[in-house]
Amino acid sequence: SQQGEEDPQALSIQEGENATMNCSYKTSINNLQWYRQNSGRGLVHLILIRSNEREKHSGRLRVTLDTSKKSSSLLITASRAADTASYFCAPRSSGSARQLTFGSGTQLTVLP
Amino acid sequence: DAGVIQSPRHEVTEMGQEVTLRCKPISGHDYLFWYRQTMMRGLELLIYFNNNVPIDDSGMPEDRFSAKMPNASFSTLKIQPSEPRDSAVYFCASSLQDRPGYTFGSGTRLTVV
Repeated sequence: SQQGEEDPQALSIQEGENATMNCSYKTSINNLQWYRQNSGRGLVHLILIRSNEREKHSGRLRVTLDTSKKSSSLLITASRAADTASYFCAPRSSGSARQLTFGSGTQLTVLP
Repeated sequence: DAGVIQSPRHEVTEMGQEVTLRCKPISGHDYLFWYRQTMMRGLELLIYFNNNVPIDDSGMPEDRFSAKMPNASFSTLKIQPSEPRDSAVYFCASSLQDRPGYTFGSGTRLTVV
């Protein structure tokens, strides 16, 4: 399995603004998943984008994938204080075993 | 479904004691994962099971750590003897073969003093 690298490490924005987080990975993937972790809680699966997809939406979330650049981005629109959390990407390598490896994440703080 | 259930939520123990962490995966899920999270090392995969069989335990840090899955609805992670550097939050997650997302439990915060 391979680990994604999230950027930036920390992001602080005002409520109502958009938040963009990026993820880079090294080898070809089957899919890439984004997870959220609220303080003191387990990770929650947010959205998955497959290698043959370029963009996917889910509510206020928009994920893009550029396989040529081996990168993905997660956009949260109209952020809320409740979006304050750490966000992790998890690339799933093609033909790999089942496990996911997580990076250090992006710590997003949404200020009221 | 109640989700992935871990117990206890918090555990404080003295160095040298045996610690057992428990996990009940979502019914029907055929994969189970144990992770450890610390500030210094982030989220580390310790071991995972498929249909109750350990598949990859390369992340288990030392022989002091062992994990079992006696049936599809229960897994344990045991540390014997425990050391202060084992202090971390331990997460269990489960998933289905044909659905790639994981469902995590709320974790067990272990403090070894």
